[in-house]
Amino acid sequence: DAKTTQPTSMDCAEGRAANLPCNHSTISGNEYVYWYRQIHSQGPQYIIHGLKNNETNEMASLIITEDRKSSTLILPHATLRDTAVYYCIVRPNSGGSNYKLTFGKGTLLTVNP
Amino acid sequence: GAGVSQSPSNKVTEKGKDVELRCDPISGHTALYWYRQSLGQGLEFLIYFQGNSAPDKSGLPSDRFSAERTGGSVSTLTIQRTQQEDSAVYLCASSLRLSGSTDTQYFGPGTRLTVL
Repeated sequence: DAKTTQPTSMDCAEGRAANLPCNHSTISGNEYVYWYRQIHSQGPQYIIHGLKNNETNEMASLIITEDRKSSTLILPHATLRDTAVYYCIVRPNSGGSNYKLTFGKGTLLTVNP
Repeated sequence: GAGVSQSPSNKVTEKGKDVELRCDPISGHTALYWYRQSLGQGLEFLIYFQGNSAPDKSGLPSDRFSAERTGGSVSTLTIQRTQQEDSAVYLCASSLRLSGSTDTQYFGPGTRLTVL
């Protein structure tokens, strides 16, 4: 699987947008970008995923650059409950052992009052 | 709808004892996965079920670890003769695993196992 690079930590003020970047310069054509987060002492929570087009759901928006080498997860109005470690991963749609998820170190997002 | 549930949420046991961890996947999800996460570490894949079969058990650390799934639903992960290095959070995930489409795994809250 392609590797991803994320900042170790970020801070955001409550109510502001949190923009979390991820670099995946070696991504392959059939690999999707997935975002999960893990709040302290809880299981990972799926947020959003995309291939080429920007995606939006009730939790967040995902902006993928045209060359697909990087992406940004946007939490439009961060709350204190969004404080968590955010993981960006790339994985193929199908084939091989694409089901084996591996998380890197992720970005610790701290939302401050 | 209901998400993935796991029980117990916490388990403290003595070295050498056997433990059973349970996972109830999202209804209708044919695929089920077990992972573990040690303190400060990433996810470690253990086993993957498709229906009641386990095509990939490659992540089970030793023969003390086993898992089964019955009725295409509930799964149990059993650790025999527990050791201190087995202490970790054991996570279960499930997915639809439909061919030709993306396959999102949804995780349960995990079982925190502490072996004294």
